[in-house]
Amino acid sequence: EAGVAQSPRYKIIEKRQSVAFWCNPISGHATLYWYQQILGQGPKLLIQFQNNGVVDDSQLPKDRFSAERLKGVDSTLKIQPAKLEDSAVYLCASSGRQGAPYEQYFGPGTRLTVT
Amino acid sequence: AQSVTQLDSHVSVSEGTPVLLRCNYSSSYSPSLFWYVQHPNKGLQLLLKYTSAATLVKGINGFEAEFKKSETSFHLTKPSAHMSDAAEYFCVAPSAGSGYALNFGKGTSLLVTP
Repeated sequence: EAGVAQSPRYKIIEKRQSVAFWCNPISGHATLYWYQQILGQGPKLLIQFQNNGVVDDSQLPKDRFSAERLKGVDSTLKIQPAKLEDSAVYLCASSGRQGAPYEQYFGPGTRLTVT
Repeated sequence: AQSVTQLDSHVSVSEGTPVLLRCNYSSSYSPSLFWYVQHPNKGLQLLLKYTSAATLVKGINGFEAEFKKSETSFHLTKPSAHMSDAAEYFCVAPSAGSGYALNFGKGTSLLVTP
């Protein structure tokens, strides 16, 4: 089966600009996650969707970050305006196997550099 | 809520020697625990998972981990390191949130030398 797809793979922007990332989960997976991985750290959850509804966005900086999952499939994560500290890898993951909610499949990530 | 602590940020081994990556967990009840691996420029991959069925868990690529309640540990081991094992390894527990998100440790970078 095809894995989780993400684009772009790399993005360089200046601070105060906006940027958007796209994720296509594994077909049939109802749950989709966005994680932020700062260099030298483990990934940190930003937002979790169940189908097209938000389950957990408690760690999403809502003044600048937004995410949506229209039609319960693809998802986009946007940052506007970007700050230097947003430089990180943004990982998308999905899960959906019955009885294994913690078994998540990760995409390759988008590496964002804010200058 | 479950949290994990990876005791080493970097581990270096010679090819063919055993690998030991250490992880302690903090939980008030029997946890679920995972090890994920991240190779350079690749996505995170599940190595193995513990879900109370057996204390010794076998994963992919010859890795295994043993859940020790008395020591609150879930260390990852492999009898013989291969060059391709060089990667970042994360000990992971379910987060305290309302969904099924994961709470990652800070990671251990494994270097394998010839």
